Amino acid sequence: GENVEQHPSTLSVQEGDSAVIKCTYSDSASNYFPWYKQELGKRPQLIIDIRSNVGEKKDQRIAVTLNKTAKHFSLHITETQPEDSAVYFCAAIFQGAQKLVFGQGTRLTINP
Amino acid sequence: DGGITQSPKYLFRKEGQNVTLSCEQNLNHDAMYWYRQDPGQGLRLIYYSQIVNDFQKGDIAEGYSVSREKKESFPLTVTSAQKNPTAFYLCASRLAGGDTQYFGPGTRLTVL
Repeated sequence: GENVEQHPSTLSVQEGDSAVIKCTYSDSASNYFPWYKQELGKRPQLIIDIRSNVGEKKDQRIAVTLNKTAKHFSLHITETQPEDSAVYFCAAIFQGAQKLVFGQGTRLTINP
Repeated sequence: DGGITQSPKYLFRKEGQNVTLSCEQNLNHDAMYWYRQDPGQGLRLIYYSQIVNDFQKGDIAEGYSVSREKKESFPLTVTSAQKNPTAFYLCASRLAGGDTQYFGPGTRLTVL
């Protein structure tokens, strides 16, 4: 079935350190993988996405890597800052229905 | 995502009442989506619509209904058949041919 698994569910890192969140997906035909950041009580905001024709994409302190063979992708945040504290969701598109399936979320806390 | 609006921001309902949540977008997006988010949980798809006058059930459609009479509007009705409707409801939209979904600010529904 359509499934996205996300780990860990909570992550706490010291300010300035790196954070890594991992996701696996079930459909080998999936070709689009966005990451959303959601602050408390707010809407999810797209922070980065990757398509299956590339293995890595970077945007300043944020990077996403994709391993199509293993069907997993990861979010990397370097030089973490307090404003990075939020819940992060990965997702994968399931082409049969043109819909996104979301992971369960990771609550990231940056400790000063 | 500033072009997607949801109203009201907060909604209180008595048990046994139907309520309708509004979602409007002026982005000329073709596809629209409704998600439910429970505290500490991910986003679960309720209904989605790829074009006007057409919509499909998502993973948790029971107790909900939608209509798509206009391209810019996709209202969600939470019926009395939905046994546990208290949640944060998010609407999203997507341009045809694109993959990225953009979210509205959400409606927080509480059943009293």
